[in-house]
Amino acid sequence: DAGVTQSPTHLIKTRGQHVTLRCSPISGHKSVSWYQQVLGQGPQFIFQYYEKEERGRGNFPDRFSARQFPNYSSELNVNALLLGDSALYLCASSLDDRDLNTEAFFGQGTRLTVV
Amino acid sequence: DQQVKQNSPSLSVQEGRISILNCDYTNSMFDYFLWYKKYPAEGPTFLISISSIKDKNEDGRFTVFLNKSAKHLSLHIVPSQPGDSAVYFCAASDGLDSNYQLIWGAGTKLIIKP
Repeated sequence: DAGVTQSPTHLIKTRGQHVTLRCSPISGHKSVSWYQQVLGQGPQFIFQYYEKEERGRGNFPDRFSARQFPNYSSELNVNALLLGDSALYLCASSLDDRDLNTEAFFGQGTRLTVV
Repeated sequence: DQQVKQNSPSLSVQEGRISILNCDYTNSMFDYFLWYKKYPAEGPTFLISISSIKDKNEDGRFTVFLNKSAKHLSLHIVPSQPGDSAVYFCAASDGLDSNYQLIWGAGTKLIIKP
């Protein structure tokens, strides 16, 4: 069984551009969460989706948005990129909303560099 | 405002000895705590968790201790093995109130010396 897959693995963008990151959860998992991990810090919660509905949002500006598709895959979109958006973006999946973040399974992440 | 703190950025331990990783928190509403392990170029992997109604949880070589009065938890690994070399994150949740969001520490890099 495939684990959580994220694409692309690495990405370089210019300030002001837009980026879309993609995540496919483990088969059968209906919940997807997104995290931002800046170098030297722990992951920071961005969004949580369950059954295509937003279930939680962290303290991030409106430039960050996400959605979940009928097949439970998810996209994270970031507009008007800033240098400070450079980070590892992690996606995590879990079975249902009773264990949204506990024992979640993480992908390998997308390394975004904004120049 | 760091609600979950891992004050040791790194820790070096001899193979076969005990590794003790520490974590402090400030939010008394946290009721569930987890440890994740992360290897380079991989996502974090769940290791062990503990509910606030317990003070100890054990899983093989890994034991987590929770001291609620001190708002402190620790992860003990015994005996330490070379494959345990990784970054360890402590995370906490106050459950339904925050929609099960996890608040993470900055991580401690554990190095097991042969």
